[in-house]
This record gives sequence, C-alpha cells and structure tokens, in this order.
Amino acid sequence: AQSVTQLGSHVSVSEGALVLLRCNYSSSVPPYLFWYVQYPNQGLQLLLKYTSAATLVKGINGFEAEFKKSETSFHLTKPSAHMSDAAEYFCAVSEQTNAGKSTFGDGTTLTVKP
Amino acid sequence: DAGVIQSPRHEVTEMGQEVTLRCKPISGHNSLFWYRQTMMRGLELLIYFNNNVPIDDSGMPEDRFSAKMPNASFSTLKIQPSEPRDSAVYFCASSLEAGGASGYTFGSGTRLTVV
Repeated sequence: AQSVTQLGSHVSVSEGALVLLRCNYSSSVPPYLFWYVQYPNQGLQLLLKYTSAATLVKGINGFEAEFKKSETSFHLTKPSAHMSDAAEYFCAVSEQTNAGKSTFGDGTTLTVKP
Repeated sequence: DAGVIQSPRHEVTEMGQEVTLRCKPISGHNSLFWYRQTMMRGLELLIYFNNNVPIDDSGMPEDRFSAKMPNASFSTLKIQPSEPRDSAVYFCASSLEAGGASGYTFGSGTRLTVV
C-alpha cells in the first residue's frame, strides 16, 4: 500500500525567503513521486515529478525536490518565495506497479508575506 | 491542446435531483480519473479508467454514484438522487499512460452545491 504524509498543513514565509514544504511517503515498491500546486478555484497543476532517474528534480516556477530513499522523503523547495507562490501544494505517490493510481497528501497551504 | 475540459463549472441543484458532470480528457491520454475535493476529506479518488475500462471504483461513495466512459474522449459522473452531503468540487484528470509516470492533468473542476 502507498501513502503520503505532508508535514504542516500551513506554512508561512516572507517574500524572498526559502520555501520548504515537507513530504514523506510510504510505498512497498519503488515509487513515482509528484508535487502539484492548486491556486484558488482552479484544478491541480503538476509542478514536478520523480520517476527514478535523477534524485534532484527541477520543476516549473523555480521549484525543485530531492528524492531521499533512506529518509522516504520528497521535500519541495524554492530558494526565494514570490507572492505568486501563495497556493496549496499537494504531494502524491504512485507505485510503479499500480497502473496509474496516485495517492495524494492532505495538502499544505503556503502563505507568502510581503 | 485545450487541456482537460469539464462542464459545467458550477452546478446548483435541489436534493433528490439527478446531476451529471462531464469530462473531456486530453486527446491521446489513456487513463481518466474522477476526484472529489472537500475541506473535510481533501482529495478523494472516486473511480478511474484505463483505455475506457473502469479499473477501480472502490472510492465511489454509494450506489447513487455512477461513472461511464463510452469512448476515449468523453466521461460522465452521475449522481442520482443527489444529497446535500454530495456538495463538493469534482475534478476530472487524465494521464498519458497507465502506470502513472507521466502524472495527471486536471480539469478546472465542477463546483456542485446540493440544497
């Protein structure tokens, strides 16, 4: 079975500060891992994905995430927050044998203060 | 490509009425997913299809919910009869391949309010 835990339902940072959103996963087989962003009144948008190639993955809008097998983590980072980064972020895991079914975390709401 | 298209964007209906939500996936995508999002439960997978065939409907809340995918370019989610607790945002998503490596493309959702 697969599961995802996002640590912290709300994260607040100042504009220009480092963004760190935490995600830990559980999977019985090698996983695919994803981060999605959801802006108000919109659907989720894929930010980046890990599919067993490079462990450091770069995505859109300056975000990146590092797959750490030993820590079962896939934390999302951005060096410098912009006001436009304020949104809800979801981590998701999919087992490579599970025919496409992803399990999503509960989401982390990012607030960016001016 | 126009992305995943859902209709309607908003639906307000009275308890007991039938509601039909529609989805057009991205052309060439082989997997389609229906999700429900609420504040209390977050994102819940209702059902998903691979190559138009339902693979897992274990998330469908009860028999009032049904979903079909008659062809590769169209899917419906029907609720009959609707109840106030069905109020939520319903998302359709599609994926290029079974196996999930490509991630999902989500539609903009249908906000359903049952009064």
